[in-house]
Amino acid sequence: GAVVSQHPSRVICKSGTSVKIECRSLDFQATTMFWYRQFPKQSLMLMATSNEGSKATYEQGVEKDKFLINHASLTLSTLTVTSAHPEDSSFYICSVPGQPITDFNEKLFFGSGTQLSVL
Amino acid sequence: EDQVTQSPEALRLQEGESSSLNCSYTVSGLRGLFWYRQDPGKGPEFLFTLYSAGEEKEKERLKATLTKKESFLHITAPKPEDSATYLCAVQSGNTPLVFGKGTRLSVIA
Repeated sequence: GAVVSQHPSRVICKSGTSVKIECRSLDFQATTMFWYRQFPKQSLMLMATSNEGSKATYEQGVEKDKFLINHASLTLSTLTVTSAHPEDSSFYICSVPGQPITDFNEKLFFGSGTQLSVL
Repeated sequence: EDQVTQSPEALRLQEGESSSLNCSYTVSGLRGLFWYRQDPGKGPEFLFTLYSAGEEKEKERLKATLTKKESFLHITAPKPEDSATYLCAVQSGNTPLVFGKGTRLSVIA
């Protein structure tokens, strides 16, 4: 099965700074990756779909200029939280769909998550 | 709009005390229902996919079942290491997975 590596696992930053989170697919090439956000005791909410070599697709209500996604290679997607504020504090998780990739995203493999705390 | 409701929010069991977690869903054409396990501060770990009513899948002390309106995750003789949050998610059409809020299970030795 796929192994997804996410880094860093925890970050604390000052308000107004930018934070980059990396997500790597270690076992196979991933043309698509997903970024989720999870608040305490809440559901995982899909933020955006990262597409290799093209623009990310953002879910309704997610500011694309604030959450910059880059999927420059088949194994790496990054999420940059720009000008972070305390309300951006959350648990961010990336995921990679299992192979073979079809329209049906069966069996997502998740990274270990990044806990972002903005002071 | 697809919806997933999990109950109870939290469940505390004694070791060996079997129980079930519920996932009720509303979708326009279910393609799959998923169960994941999530440990604190970690990403979810895949457990099962169920595709149609009547389907059952088992893994160690866990068994997942599916009807047209809900899914159950049965835990038989749980152990403390089964303590985690169990997430249910559904997919319809080509839309992204919709997750429930999860059930936080604590198994006490």
